[in-house]
Amino acid sequence: GAVVSQHPSWVICKSGTSVKIECRSLDFQATTMFWYRQFPKQSLMLMATSNEGSKATYEQGVEKDKFLINHASLTLSTLTVTSAHPEDSSFYICSVVSSYEQYFGPGTRLTVT
Amino acid sequence: AQSVSQHNHHVILSEAASLELGCNYSYGGTVNLFWYVQYPGQHLQLLLKYFSGDPLVKGIKGFEAEFIKSKFSFNLRKPSVQWSDTAEYFCAVMPPYGNKLVFGAGTILRVKS
Repeated sequence: GAVVSQHPSWVICKSGTSVKIECRSLDFQATTMFWYRQFPKQSLMLMATSNEGSKATYEQGVEKDKFLINHASLTLSTLTVTSAHPEDSSFYICSVVSSYEQYFGPGTRLTVT
Repeated sequence: AQSVSQHNHHVILSEAASLELGCNYSYGGTVNLFWYVQYPGQHLQLLLKYFSGDPLVKGIKGFEAEFIKSKFSFNLRKPSVQWSDTAEYFCAVMPPYGNKLVFGAGTILRVKS
């Protein structure tokens, strides 16, 4: 299966600042990546589908101007949380798709103070 | 609303006990079904999947799951759990005509040694 990395694994930022999270597919060229968020003791919720070379597709209720996604290459997608607020604190996880299977990154824990 | 339901949020078992975790979904048509496991501090890993064919599927680490179409269920089983099975287990459904995953709320399994 595909190997997916995320950077950073943990980030703390101040309210009002922006944070960029990287998702890399290390051994697979991914035209599609997914971004999820997971609140404590809750399930993964799909935020958006990241498409290489085109605009991301956001799920209902996800602010596209707040969660900027860039999928500039077949191995890298980035999620930028703009003007972060404490309610954005969460665990953000990306995945890549290969033959209808998704392979997940280790996640990035964002804490906004 | 279409959804994925996991029956138990917390399960505590003694070693060697049998395990069954329930999962029901509400999507019609042909779906792909998955069980993922998240060990403490680690990323999501695929336990097993069902796309078509034999409704009883075997996965890694002695896990199996049975797809019962008439009940819209995909329950996970293991005859004898080990302490190392302590983890959170997620059922996920890939609805028809897409490659997105919809996750259940997760079940935290604690196995007492």
